[in-house]
Amino acid sequence: DAGVTQSPTHLIKTRGQQVTLRCSPKSGHDTVSWYQQALGQGPQFIFQYYEEEERQRGNFPDRFSGHQFPNYSSELNVNALLLGDSALYLCASSPRTSGSHEQFFGPGTRLTVL
Amino acid sequence: AQTVTQSQPEMSVQEAETVTLSCTYDTSESDYYLFWYKQPPSRQMILVIRQEAYKQQNATENRFSVNFQKAAKSFSLKISDSQLGDAAMYFCAYRRSQGGSEKLVFGKGTKLTVNP
Repeated sequence: DAGVTQSPTHLIKTRGQQVTLRCSPKSGHDTVSWYQQALGQGPQFIFQYYEEEERQRGNFPDRFSGHQFPNYSSELNVNALLLGDSALYLCASSPRTSGSHEQFFGPGTRLTVL
Repeated sequence: AQTVTQSQPEMSVQEAETVTLSCTYDTSESDYYLFWYKQPPSRQMILVIRQEAYKQQNATENRFSVNFQKAAKSFSLKISDSQLGDAAMYFCAYRRSQGGSEKLVFGKGTKLTVNP
């Protein structure tokens, strides 16, 4: 059973560019959440997708947007990149109707903005 | 808004010894979940242990146990018989119980070093 997968592993961009990160949830999971983890910090919630719609959003600007596909995979898009967007981006999946309450995390995408 | 505080940026322990990591949180909710996650250098966040707030009994998972003090809003993690593989960042996290898959609120983490 494949866990949560993310691509790419590493990414280097320059200020002002746009980036798309991808996530495939664990088999049987229909909810995907994205987190930003700056160096030396705990993960910060960006947003969550379920049934192809954004259901919850953290305190992030509109430059951060996302999408969920019918197969439950998800994308995180960041426009007009800033140096401060450099971070590890984590995807987590969970089954919405399960009583497990656990979110399973992927290995993350390390984004560096120069 | 809920907050999670981990007051120990770094901790160290000798192999085979016991260590306790601290976590406090702030919430006005009466029902919620608390988690400890481990993040080794490989970056993959792994769930260590989970506690439901309505349960008075402290959760245990093999060498890992928690001391959950609801009134004090404290949730510490005890690692017994520490092993080299326990070296990692440890994050305490909070989640509301209402609704579906609610967001996790994380602390800043504690870096645990295990000395041979």
